[in-house]
Amino acid sequence: DTAVSQTPKYLVTQMGNDKSIKCEQNLGHDTMYWYKQDSKKFLKIMFSYNNKELIINETVPNRFSPKSPDKAHLNLHINSLELGDSAVYFCASSQEPGRGGEKLFFGSGTQLSVL
Amino acid sequence: GQQVMQIPQYQHVQEGEDFTTYCNSSTTLSNIQWYKQRPGGHPVFLIQLVKSGEVKKQKRLTFQFGEAKKNSSLHITATQTTDVGTYFCAGPGGQNFVFGPGTRLSVLP
Repeated sequence: DTAVSQTPKYLVTQMGNDKSIKCEQNLGHDTMYWYKQDSKKFLKIMFSYNNKELIINETVPNRFSPKSPDKAHLNLHINSLELGDSAVYFCASSQEPGRGGEKLFFGSGTQLSVL
Repeated sequence: GQQVMQIPQYQHVQEGEDFTTYCNSSTTLSNIQWYKQRPGGHPVFLIQLVKSGEVKKQKRLTFQFGEAKKNSSLHITATQTTDVGTYFCAGPGGQNFVFGPGTRLSVLP
């Protein structure tokens, strides 16, 4: 069983559309994340979320919104897609940060191309 | 805010040569982690260092955590083509992990 799974793997869409990326983890982790990786391979945190708190990177446009129906899922919704949103988006999960010993488990990524 | 830097950005080596990447944080870290991302793949956890001056080995990979817990290094002895990828260090930053920009390693056969 895949520990962190995200779908779709590839997403090609037109500017202005709204799209969603789904993520599920079966590790029983408390915390999930969305990272954006640009063409230069920089990994930037977008959101971290556990059952208590959503932390948003202030640089993330409000067109991006995480939705968590339950502890095992953290989906990413993107409204009014722009060309600059093209990137690889990684979902990840871990035990709650700050307790020590946590490590990130990443999904296989979603390559988003906005035309 | 916390910044994590890595050098070099790119490294091209001949198979069999050694490779080292260095990681520096603007703040003291409680721990540091290293990840490897193969081309077209996702980051995969390699190791975590916690103690000041700690050294850990995984086969041909040697990881060090600085005495001041602000820097770290990853050294690969006698690189192989399977070592190709981007190596990231990451440190805890609030409720998430802050990644360095990565070092992209190419190994020429």
